Amino acid sequence: GAVVSQHPSRVICKSGTSVKIECRSLDFQATTMFWYRQFPKQSLMLMATSNEGSKATYEQGVEKDKFLINHASLTLSTLTVTSAHPEDSSFYICSAPDNAADTQYFGPGTRLTVL
Amino acid sequence: GQQVMQIPQYQHVQEGEDFTTYCNSSTTLSNIQWYKQRPGGHPVFLIQLVKSGEVKKQKRLTFQFGEAKKNSSLHITATQTTDVGTYFCAGRGSGTYKYIFGTGTRLKVLA
Repeated sequence: GAVVSQHPSRVICKSGTSVKIECRSLDFQATTMFWYRQFPKQSLMLMATSNEGSKATYEQGVEKDKFLINHASLTLSTLTVTSAHPEDSSFYICSAPDNAADTQYFGPGTRLTVL
Repeated sequence: GQQVMQIPQYQHVQEGEDFTTYCNSSTTLSNIQWYKQRPGGHPVFLIQLVKSGEVKKQKRLTFQFGEAKKNSSLHITATQTTDVGTYFCAGRGSGTYKYIFGTGTRLKVLA
């Protein structure tokens, strides 16, 4: 089936630094990708919708200046956590809908730890 | 906005017992998906339901979509230790590709 990759799988950074996470659809094009965040033992919370060629749409309560999203091509979306703080430590997961299959595929996730 | 709740939050069962998790949406859904997430892993797609009243089976798993397309259930017959994990439903509203995840049900199976 279709595959979505994420890089890196794990990242540890110091407080105040920025971290970029990449999400790629490997064998299909995705004009839209979704970014989720999952805290331990909680559900996945939709953060934003990444749109190729236009601005991302953020869910209520998500700071767009804090979480920068760029959908550079039909197969790549990036999420940059700017000026990361320990409370940003979480599991970040992207997904991409495959319109032809009417479903969505999740990446393997990126575990961010901010010291 | 759309909310998706699941019950129960936790379930401990003895191996061989049945298990059911229920998913309820505050709004009518276009379709619903079910995922399983093992500890430390990412959600793995199990199935998608689209039609009102639809029932699908995968071996010991039975998925059902309610007639009003606002609720769904996942039933596991004769649980095994490999069924351990958190089961999430994710509902998509009409006119959008966004999926809102349910609160999840964490299943533990005691051998």
